[in-house]
Amino acid sequence: GAGVSQTPSNKVTEKGKYVELRCDPISGHTALYWYRQSLGQGPEFLIYFQGTGAADDSGLPNDRFFAVRPEGSVSTLKIQRTERGDSAVYLCASSADRGNSPLHFGNGTRLTVT
Amino acid sequence: GDSVTQMEGPVTLSEEAFLTINCTYTATGYPSLFWYVQYPGEGLQLLLKATKADDKGSNKGFEATYRKETTSFHLEKGSVQVSDSAVYFCALSLNDYKLSFGAGTTVTVRA
Repeated sequence: GAGVSQTPSNKVTEKGKYVELRCDPISGHTALYWYRQSLGQGPEFLIYFQGTGAADDSGLPNDRFFAVRPEGSVSTLKIQRTERGDSAVYLCASSADRGNSPLHFGNGTRLTVT
Repeated sequence: GDSVTQMEGPVTLSEEAFLTINCTYTATGYPSLFWYVQYPGEGLQLLLKATKADDKGSNKGFEATYRKETTSFHLEKGSVQVSDSAVYFCALSLNDYKLSFGAGTTVTVRA
């Protein structure tokens, strides 16, 4: 079946611009996660949704970052006034529920801010 | 804070060799421990996990034992194949959803 889909796969933007990154989770998965992976590092937690609500957004680095999941399925990560330090691979994952359900990751969106 | 330290790579070895990737952790509570793998061109996927001390996780010939006394979760495989070439990430979780990952270890297996 279809896995987690992230679009675009690559995004190049200029410093100061606004970007949106999209995640389509596996159908029926109630939990959705965003992680960020900088070059040479492991993924870092950004935000976790259970249904439509953000259950934990403690990993968002600052108020330029925002994520939504209005219908409890597709999620969009929004970054305002991008900075070069935002360049990274943004990973989305979903799971059937919290707890013992494994996370299924997408291939990520590689964001480059020039 | 809670963190994971894993062996730096890259690691290059021949087919049928023994593989060990060291992983140690620091946590304020009793975490669940994971190994995730990223094959070339694919997304991260769970390889194995252990949820309490002395548990052994295993999958695809890989094993890792949760050692509370040494705060370790080393990954081992007795005989690697070319298809095991990937980046391996050790991770911990204290609350079932927020994973803290190590920096990853790139493994290349030569035929």
